[in-house]
Amino acid sequence: DAGVIQSPRHEVTEMGQEVTLRCKPISGHDYLFWYRQTMMRGLELLIYFNNNVPIDDSGMPEDRFSAKMPNASFSTLKIQPSEPRDSAVYFCASSFGLGGKNIQYFGAGTRLSVL
Amino acid sequence: QKEVEQNSGPLSVPEGAIASLNCTYSDRGSQSFFWYRQYSGKSPELIMSIYSNGDKEDGRFTAQLNKASQYVSLLIRDSQPSDSATYLCAVGPNQAGTALIFGKGTTLSVSS
Repeated sequence: DAGVIQSPRHEVTEMGQEVTLRCKPISGHDYLFWYRQTMMRGLELLIYFNNNVPIDDSGMPEDRFSAKMPNASFSTLKIQPSEPRDSAVYFCASSFGLGGKNIQYFGAGTRLSVL
Repeated sequence: QKEVEQNSGPLSVPEGAIASLNCTYSDRGSQSFFWYRQYSGKSPELIMSIYSNGDKEDGRFTAQLNKASQYVSLLIRDSQPSDSATYLCAVGPNQAGTALIFGKGTTLSVSS
């Protein structure tokens, strides 16, 4: 398997623009996670899905952020409008099962810069 | 709020030495524990997992778990410059249907 695939790898945009990040999980995995990583706050869980259904979105910072998973092989994280403080690396991860011995595998990440 | 704490470092060790990385967690009922390695500009990759008290060895890496003290550690023997990275501790909470909680990571620097 190719692993978790994220696109784009880098995104530079101006404040106020809409940003859409994309993720393809590992085939067969039923959990998908979106994380944000910054030097100050470390790796933060934003939202996760089970079988395409959002389970916990308590980490989504504000209404400007939204995430969808229309099918088992695709998810998006959208920021509208974007702000400079959204600049971070966004990771998608997937796993088969949750907790216990179920391992999360990470994508390469999207480095977002909002000017 | 459930928390995972790590010393941010940097932890500096000479090549060939033992590097010791520590992690404490607040949820006493936690069941699974993981160490991820993250090179600069890359994504986290799993290097060790441990589920029961004691030591687990894999090559130069040893994970140690003490649930009574709510403490998990990672020892790296014969440290190499290629081990220089940030090490993230992740804990699986006891509550069903709850995702991993990650620490902020410890940066390790191995000098040759």
